[in-house]
Amino acid sequence: GAVVSQHPSWVICKSGTSVKIECRSLDFQATTMFWYRQFPKQSLMLMATSNEGSKATYEQGVEKDKFLINHASLTLSTLTVTSAHPEDSSFYICSANRPGAIEQFFGPGTRLTVL
Amino acid sequence: DAKTTQPPSMDCAEGRAANLPCNHSTISGNEYVYWYRQIHSQGPQYIIHGLKNNETNEMASLIITEDRKSSTLILPHATLRDTAVYYCIVRVDTASKLTFGTGTRLQVTL
Repeated sequence: GAVVSQHPSWVICKSGTSVKIECRSLDFQATTMFWYRQFPKQSLMLMATSNEGSKATYEQGVEKDKFLINHASLTLSTLTVTSAHPEDSSFYICSANRPGAIEQFFGPGTRLTVL
Repeated sequence: DAKTTQPPSMDCAEGRAANLPCNHSTISGNEYVYWYRQIHSQGPQYIIHGLKNNETNEMASLIITEDRKSSTLILPHATLRDTAVYYCIVRVDTASKLTFGTGTRLQVTL
């Protein structure tokens, strides 16, 4: 099946720093990727839809200046958490649509801890 | 997309069938029912989907009622590795976003 990877799998950073998370589709080209956030014992919450070559579409309540999304190629989307604070600590998951496939393919997730 | 309602948790003995219900009473005629599951600290995994006919694959069976207002995911022989949160999602097409509800936490026990 299609594979989506994320890097890093976990990261610890100091408050006020920025963190970049990469999402790659390894064996297919993804024109659309999605970014989710999941807090402990809660469900996945969609943050934004990332379209290759255009600006991301953010869900209501998600700060686009804080969560920068870049989808520069058909196999890579990045999420940068700018000026991270402890409340941004969460599990960040990306997914991608493969052309012709019925399901979305999810990455393994990145656990961010902000001290 | 239509909203779904699932029980928060269920238990199932290993080797027995796990039947996970989902209500989607406001589903539209062109909306599919999708099931995903999420094992602890991993990304969600697709299980199965259907429109109005019952479906079966190597992982599970999906039973959709005739009025399409509810469905049941069946894991025929649950194993400990099936312990996960199971999400029922309705969605118009493959390009649209997935909206996750609270899901059902299935605990498979010895």
